[in-house]
Amino acid sequence: GQNIDQPTEMTATEGAIVQINCTYQTSGFNGLFWYQQHAGEAPTFLSYNVLDGLEEKGRFSSFLSRSKGYSYLLLKELQMKDSASYLCAVAFSGGYNKLIFGAGTRLAVHP
Amino acid sequence: KAGVTQTPRYLIKTRGQQVTLSCSPISGHRSVSWYQQTPGQGLQFLFEYFSETQRNKGNFPGRFSGRQFSNSRSEMNVSTLELGDSALYLCASSVAGSDTQYFGPGTRLTVL
Repeated sequence: GQNIDQPTEMTATEGAIVQINCTYQTSGFNGLFWYQQHAGEAPTFLSYNVLDGLEEKGRFSSFLSRSKGYSYLLLKELQMKDSASYLCAVAFSGGYNKLIFGAGTRLAVHP
Repeated sequence: KAGVTQTPRYLIKTRGQQVTLSCSPISGHRSVSWYQQTPGQGLQFLFEYFSETQRNKGNFPGRFSGRQFSNSRSEMNVSTLELGDSALYLCASSVAGSDTQYFGPGTRLTVL
């Protein structure tokens, strides 16, 4: 199968930096997405990586290593509103818009 | 530009009934994907439609079906509802192929 692994829960302090990791099987890889989902709400798009390297977007950055089947989402200057689930999703070639999602990482930001 | 809309937002049904959920994509988006989200299984892909054709299907029983209209709006239908079908059903739209998907608010289905 196409397993996507990410930690279940993480906690961090307001103002700090947190890194959420995601690993996946590399066969047929066609792009990796990160979504944020607040409780009771729909996932919202954060970032998309298809080539190796770091993509920076404000306080959020996402990194990809295709050869290692590894990505991370980096959140800087954490705010209380960043408390949410962070979903890693992989598109595999030939699957059109079939995204395989990880179970999500629930991040709790404390004062 | 308006986002993805889904109706209804909440639905309560009983076992054995059937249900139809609707999704209107972002204007100009021709691809609509459907996902089921439950606490135990997370987000799971149901199917994807593009230009009224189903291009991809997940591992769900035949009780789950869908269609897409010429204006790109999509519906999904679940027949003979089971308790385990209780979930948040999300649709997502994108322009065409393997590009960024934008999610609607979801329909929360409860089966009693």
